[in-house]
Amino acid sequence: GAVVSQHPSWVICKSGTSVKIECRSLDFQATTMFWYRQFPKQSLMLMATSNEGSKATYEQGVEKDKFLINHASLTLSTLTVTSAHPEDSSFYICSASVPTSGQETQYFGPGTRLLVL
Amino acid sequence: GESVGLHLPTLSVQEGDNSIINCAYSNSASDYFIWYKQESGKGPQFIIDIRSNMDKRQGQRVTVLLNKTVKHLSLQIAATQPGDSAVYFCAETPISGGYNKLIFGAGTRLAVHP
Repeated sequence: GAVVSQHPSWVICKSGTSVKIECRSLDFQATTMFWYRQFPKQSLMLMATSNEGSKATYEQGVEKDKFLINHASLTLSTLTVTSAHPEDSSFYICSASVPTSGQETQYFGPGTRLLVL
Repeated sequence: GESVGLHLPTLSVQEGDNSIINCAYSNSASDYFIWYKQESGKGPQFIIDIRSNMDKRQGQRVTVLLNKTVKHLSLQIAATQPGDSAVYFCAETPISGGYNKLIFGAGTRLAVHP
């Protein structure tokens, strides 16, 4: 149980284009979904938190107009990197939280590797 | 600011030995801690968690120890196997974070040698 999927697993795009990444909770309904970015040999940095039907909450320094998040249902959240540039190349990981014994546990997707040329 | 850091960036162990990965956290208000394992090119995998009202919690071959006095967290892996080779992250949930926001440490790479 508690499986989270992401699509695509990797994407290469030209600078200036937009890329959409999907995050799905396959066997549960997620209270909240989170989006992280991870650069090589670095830790995960939280970008934003989203709840179904609400506007996402972005972390300080993350441009909400550049990283558009849509949380259409309890099982699907999407992250769109608009007008992508080479510096946006990174590993994007989503997670979905599930109440477990009174604590929300985050389960992570497999990640999406984005390369912007 | 809030931070979760690790003492050792890389740990090399022999197969069959026990491994200990350490983590220091700075937010004394955090009440929930988790260890994740991340293999190359994959998302983090939940290993074990512990609440601030506990000092120790055991799982299958893993034990997490929490010392709130010195704000230190450790992950012990018994009889380390080659499949344990990965990067291990500790993460904390500050009470004030909201939405159970996780703050990740820098990570420790565990290399298991035959």
